[in-house]
Amino acid sequence: DVKVTQSSRYLVKRTGEKVFLECVQDMDHENMFWYRQDPGLGLRLIYFSYDVKMKEKGDIPEGYSVSREKKERFSLILESASTNQTSMYLCASKPGRWGNQPQHFGDGTRLSIL
Amino acid sequence: KNQVEQSPQSLIILEGKNCTLQCNYTVSPFSNLRWYKQDTGRGPVSLTIMTFSENTKSNGRYTATLDADTKQSSLHITASQLSDSASYICVVSANTDKLIFGTGTRLQVFP
Repeated sequence: DVKVTQSSRYLVKRTGEKVFLECVQDMDHENMFWYRQDPGLGLRLIYFSYDVKMKEKGDIPEGYSVSREKKERFSLILESASTNQTSMYLCASKPGRWGNQPQHFGDGTRLSIL
Repeated sequence: KNQVEQSPQSLIILEGKNCTLQCNYTVSPFSNLRWYKQDTGRGPVSLTIMTFSENTKSNGRYTATLDADTKQSSLHITASQLSDSASYICVVSANTDKLIFGTGTRLQVFP
């Protein structure tokens, strides 16, 4: 089974801090994604990556950046955390860019910014 | 604008009963439609995928239907169990590889 592991289930940070969310997948997938999930809004795509050192902006990239130095690891960075970034963050991976394979999700990091 | 709308927002049923969740979409061009199940505190897990030519597909007690003409899909759960309590998310893929997510239906099954 594909396993997508997010480093923290719960995280509490203060406004202005630089925050790192880590995601690792064990199936050699090329594609990785970061979403945030808020009540009533569904999942919204922040950034994605089709290969090592590649990144593409999603629908809501403002205030975030990403890093993909190794194929299995995709990091989301909040440069200067703000209270409106309090949310559930979900990482996902997928074998290839095209085709009907599903995205496999981690169990999420619930981030609170105080 | 590409959109996916789900109804109802929430649903409460008794164990053993059947239920149907709805998904309407305005995504073009259409590639496929997938239903995900998300347990509380967990990530979404794919239940089934429907492509343009498929009308119905089953996965155990879950049966998904697709009407590409009316752009509607449904997820029918038969003989519900307590473990079916979760959010069910409809996701439509456009040919650009972009996913459009619905906001989900929260199902609660009580004994």
